[in-house]
Amino acid sequence: DIVMTQTPLSLSVTPGQPASISCKSSQSLLHSDGKTYLYWYLQKPGQSPQLLIYEASRRFSGVPDRFSGSGSGTDFTLTISRVEAEDVGVYYCMQGIQVWTLGQGTKVEIK
Amino acid sequence: QVQLQESGPGLVKPSETLSLTCAVSGYSITSGYYWGWIRQPPGKGLEWIASIYHSGITYYNPSLRSRVTISVDTSKNQFSLKLSSVTAADTAVYYCARVPPDYWGQGALVTVSS
Repeated sequence: DIVMTQTPLSLSVTPGQPASISCKSSQSLLHSDGKTYLYWYLQKPGQSPQLLIYEASRRFSGVPDRFSGSGSGTDFTLTISRVEAEDVGVYYCMQGIQVWTLGQGTKVEIK
Repeated sequence: QVQLQESGPGLVKPSETLSLTCAVSGYSITSGYYWGWIRQPPGKGLEWIASIYHSGITYYNPSLRSRVTISVDTSKNQFSLKLSSVTAADTAVYYCARVPPDYWGQGALVTVSS
């Protein structure tokens, strides 16, 4: 199985400040079709996870542009340019190049 | 708008089989995409269980494979999950989703208890 490792596991951010979360995979997520099968999700309290970023850097429909994804191969980053109160929750990275596996989650709270 | 809705018993006895169904609306299962199940034990992270294509191609989490069956009913536009020999460790919120997971159901809490 591909192991996904997120850091940090928790993050406390002042509103309006940036935040970033790292996700490292134990194998490359670059497929022979040229796509990178790395996804980012936010699970708000009491809700289902919602897709933020797909294929490492593509923003899903309706996702605010303060969210961005970057990285390649085995190292990826989710960046929130200016954190808002509604961004609290747990963020997960997920890989889909093999049987899907997820990171442990990063809990983001507001200071 | 794609919508998914899980249904099934909320309480299952130990050693019995957990059965859940996901009804899909707003999109035909046969139009493409895989369809899958993910679970989340109380207070813990997400765990992938299985996924299926409308043709019947399936993928399973190796750690659960021996106990899991995923199936699809294209006539009802739904897919299902069966997890056998359950224990308290299988207590979780079970989500269904279109795969890659862009649309999710609201989740169904299943408790394993006698």
